[in-house]
Amino acid sequence: GAVVSQHPSRVICKSGTSVKIECRSLDFQATTMFWYRQFPKQSLMLMATSNEGSKATYEQGVEKDKFLINHASLTLSTLTVTSAHPEDSSFYICSARGGGAFHEQYFGPGTRLTVT
Amino acid sequence: AQTVTQSQPEMSVQEAETVTLSCTYDTSESDYYLFWYKQPPSRQMILVIRQEAYKQQNATENRFSVNFQKAAKSFSLKISDSQLGDAAMYFCASPGAGGTSYGKLTFGQGTILTVHP
Repeated sequence: GAVVSQHPSRVICKSGTSVKIECRSLDFQATTMFWYRQFPKQSLMLMATSNEGSKATYEQGVEKDKFLINHASLTLSTLTVTSAHPEDSSFYICSARGGGAFHEQYFGPGTRLTVT
Repeated sequence: AQTVTQSQPEMSVQEAETVTLSCTYDTSESDYYLFWYKQPPSRQMILVIRQEAYKQQNATENRFSVNFQKAAKSFSLKISDSQLGDAAMYFCASPGAGGTSYGKLTFGQGTILTVHP
């Protein structure tokens, strides 16, 4: 149980275009989802917290107009990188928090974004 | 601010030996959970073990165990009988801003574990 999928796994886009990444909890309802960014051999940097039916909460320094997050249902959250630039190239990971007692997060496999 | 410190950027161990990864954290919560996650080369984050802070007994999951020292805010991971498949980056995580109820986690910098055959 507790499987989180992420799509696409890899995406290459041209500078100035937008790209959408989907995060789905496959076998549980996720009240909260999180979006992270990770550079090679570094830790996960939390970008935003997404709650179903409400606006996402962004961490300090994260541009909310550039990284649009939508949590339309209890099993789906999307991250749209708008007007992407090469510096947005990174590994993006989503996680979902179920309603269990332990508060752990279940992670998707990540999306490698390359902006050319 | 919540902080998690992993002071060992890299560690190595011989296959079948034991290795301990260190982690210290800072939280103002009285009841919380701590986690160790593993990120192999595939980059899929995998939960290794969790510890409930109100439990004095150290958590154990097969070859993985923790040494939890609540007063010292220390949470180390011990891997026994190391296997080649244990090679990965390991992250310690504690409650993030807002505490346990908000669900955020703060991750340490990570420790890259190499297992030598």
